[in-house]
Amino acid sequence: EDQVTQSPEALRLQEGESSSLNCSYTVSGLRGLFWYRQDPGKGPEFLFTLYSAGEEKEKERLKATLTKKESFLHITAPKPEDSATYLCAVGSGGGADGLTFGKGTHLIIQP
Amino acid sequence: GAGVSQSPRYKVAKRGQDVALRCDPISGHVSLFWYQQALGQGPEFLTYFQNEAQLDKSGLPSDRFFAERPEGSVSTLKIQRTQQEDSAVYLCASSIIGGFRNTIYFGEGSWLTVV
Repeated sequence: EDQVTQSPEALRLQEGESSSLNCSYTVSGLRGLFWYRQDPGKGPEFLFTLYSAGEEKEKERLKATLTKKESFLHITAPKPEDSATYLCAVGSGGGADGLTFGKGTHLIIQP
Repeated sequence: GAGVSQSPRYKVAKRGQDVALRCDPISGHVSLFWYQQALGQGPEFLTYFQNEAQLDKSGLPSDRFFAERPEGSVSTLKIQRTQQEDSAVYLCASSIIGGFRNTIYFGEGSWLTVV
């Protein structure tokens, strides 16, 4: 059974204070690791997909990296508008066609 | 449409009542997914359609849950004899075609409260 664990559950940062969110996973054949952002009352918004260890992707202040066991979402000099819940998910060859999500990291950026 | 559209956005149902939740995927998207998200949790996979074919329903929690997509576009998730534990946000998502190489886009969800 695929498993995704995200840490920390919640993180409060000052504006401009860089940090990283962690996503550890166990899957039977990784076919993709996904990062989504979710604002209160909204559906998840796609950020990145990573397919193989060593891969990195960037978008504005966000950078996602992938190893064989975990992924990191690095946030550089965050702004208050980066406050959201960040969800990590995996797609695997284990049988189900859907993604397996972690519980998310609730990020608050204080001005 | 421009995005995945879901209705109703909010539904309060009395325990034992049947509910139907509608999803309009992005035009031209072949793949459609339903997820359930409880408060403070990540979304959990319910079922997957490719066109009108329901290829995976392994995540449906009980036989009270039923989904259909008869013409390969709009989908309906039906919950019969609702229970309090069914209270959650039901998210619909679509992608242009199956597999994990294509971005999966989510709607804003239908918030179901069973009282």
